[in-house]
Amino acid sequence: GAGVSQSPSNKVTEKGKDVELRCDPISGHTALYWYRQRLGQGLEFLIYFQGNSAPDKSGLPSDRFSAERTGESVSTLTIQRTQQEDSAVYLCASSLERGRGNEQFFGPGTRLTVL
Amino acid sequence: GESVGLHLPTLSVQEGDNSIINCAYSNSASDYFIWYKQESGKGPQFIIDIRSNMDKRQGQRVTVLLNKTVKHLSLQIAATQPGDSAVYFCAENMGAGTALIFGKGTTLSVSS
Repeated sequence: GAGVSQSPSNKVTEKGKDVELRCDPISGHTALYWYRQRLGQGLEFLIYFQGNSAPDKSGLPSDRFSAERTGESVSTLTIQRTQQEDSAVYLCASSLERGRGNEQFFGPGTRLTVL
Repeated sequence: GESVGLHLPTLSVQEGDNSIINCAYSNSASDYFIWYKQESGKGPQFIIDIRSNMDKRQGQRVTVLLNKTVKHLSLQIAATQPGDSAVYFCAENMGAGTALIFGKGTTLSVSS
């Protein structure tokens, strides 16, 4: 595809359940980012992958959050034992490389609702 | 807390007017700034960027101004159109290897 894709587009889950969100970056983009966007708020950085380097997990809010990426392809963000405060839109972005001056291309996001 | 913020949460303009959206940043070490546009139900879309060694950059109908003295960033949209209605975010980067930090956004509403 031409852009970043994410699935599912919407996810409703019950408190305490685990969820897995998927991101397919633009082919050839080495850098991949996950952000969280609460209603009416800006984007919060969660985690970043660059090639085969160790991911930058500095933005993950708790140990219930984890993410994986296989090479320079698909990434999954997993939230364990979901809480109501996890309700948000989770956005994935990719870019040619990390650092200054590199445009990040965003996917449409996954809207997560925890009941 | 956030180091990037916007002066106004909402801005309403008439079609054809020029729009100015402002952003203040607090970290003098920030050296790269970006404006994103986010339409309802979509991810943010890159509009324009500027590095700290510049004070102005122009794109198609958009201009970004950077005033490092007062740590202020603005986005100017010429001849605003209804399709420009969206939430606009500024973001800053404090150097290679650091994450983008986003502000809360300004909602631009354009009426015909």
